Amino acid sequence: GAGVSQSPSNKVTEKGKDVELRCDPISGHTALYWYRQSLGQGLEFLIYFQGNSAPDKSGLPSDRFSAERTGGSVSTLTIQRTQQEDSAVYLCASSFGPAGGPVQETQYFGPGTRLLVL
Amino acid sequence: KNQVEQSPQSLIILEGKNCTLQCNYTVSPFSNLRWYKQDTGRGPVSLTIMTFSENTKSNGRYTATLDADTKQSSLHITASQLSDSASYICVLRGNQGGKLIFGQGTELSVKP
Repeated sequence: GAGVSQSPSNKVTEKGKDVELRCDPISGHTALYWYRQSLGQGLEFLIYFQGNSAPDKSGLPSDRFSAERTGGSVSTLTIQRTQQEDSAVYLCASSFGPAGGPVQETQYFGPGTRLLVL
Repeated sequence: KNQVEQSPQSLIILEGKNCTLQCNYTVSPFSNLRWYKQDTGRGPVSLTIMTFSENTKSNGRYTATLDADTKQSSLHITASQLSDSASYICVLRGNQGGKLIFGQGTELSVKP
């Protein structure tokens, strides 16, 4: 596709269940980011993948959150033992890479996955 | 205190009018400053990007300015349209690492 895609678009789950959110970045983009956007809040950085480098996990709020990126393309964000405070929109973005100037590093966002934990 | 503060939190204007959104930041130094537009239920879309040495950047009816002395940026929207109704987010990239620092956004509503 032409843009970043995410699935599912909406997810309702019970407290304590595990969820997996998927992101398909734009083909050729080496950088991939996960963000969380809670109602009325700004975007919160979660994790950043760049090529084959070790990911920057500094934004993950707890060890219940993890993410992987297979083959340098598709990424999965996993939330274990979900809590009600995990309810938010989870946004994925990709870019050509962080270096080389503003064109290369411009991030393109997916539509997000709306997660509701009951 | 947030590193990127936006004001106002929300704004209602009539179609055809101009408006200016503000962004105050404490991140210094920084690599670049961006303004994103986020329609309801969609991901953010980049409007403008300025390096620390640039003062202004335009994209159609959107004009962003940057004052490094006062650490302020503004987004001016000219001749607003109903489709301008969205959240506008100010974002800074610090000089270190790949993370962006997001403001909380200004919710703009353009009424007919």
